[in-house]
Amino acid sequence: DAGITQSPRHKVTETGTPVTLRCHQTENHRYMYWYRQDPGHGLRLIHYSYGVKDTDKGEVSDGYSVSRSKTEDFLLTLESATSSQTSVYFCAISRTLAAADTQYFGPGTRLTVL
Amino acid sequence: DAKTTQPPSMDCAEGRAANLPCNHSTISGNEYVYWYRQIHSQGPQYIIHGLKNNETNEMASLIITEDRKSSTLILPHATLRDTAVYYCIAANNNDMRFGAGTRLTVKP
Repeated sequence: DAGITQSPRHKVTETGTPVTLRCHQTENHRYMYWYRQDPGHGLRLIHYSYGVKDTDKGEVSDGYSVSRSKTEDFLLTLESATSSQTSVYFCAISRTLAAADTQYFGPGTRLTVL
Repeated sequence: DAKTTQPPSMDCAEGRAANLPCNHSTISGNEYVYWYRQIHSQGPQYIIHGLKNNETNEMASLIITEDRKSSTLILPHATLRDTAVYYCIAANNNDMRFGAGTRLTVKP
């Protein structure tokens, strides 16, 4: 398995509070991704990073921000959590963007916003 | 990304081969066929991917039709631990779109 950890693994928070999720990799892969998974929607891309301090929006980026100050860490921040952001969040990494390459996923963070 | 169609569920007897079909009739020439699986609420696990040739690794085999409009993932000797949701994706690496997948249940 790819060396990807996510923290925390579970979190319960209240509406309006800020939340930061961390993805840490030991593979030195350049590309990192944040997805959310909800029933009936599969996995949807929130943001991705193509290098240190280089990030871009995905399909469902509203309400989320990201930062990558080191190759190994990609942070996802919910500035003011809402109940609609209750979900399971997965981080993924990829060495390249080549079509022959692929993404490897972390174990996930289950976030509940009350 | 090309849209894929998979049956919502399948059963397989333990020890038998599990053959999971996927249709991707709108796949473009530079898109690969990727297969992942997700066991319970764990992160998606990469299984295999290919462009046009059949591929095999320690987990599975991938058979892609000559016109590339469909493919089949083969788990040669399914075990109970292979019970999972299997996702077929036709895409480039940087734009994965996961659909609903096929829920495979391996029965004793």
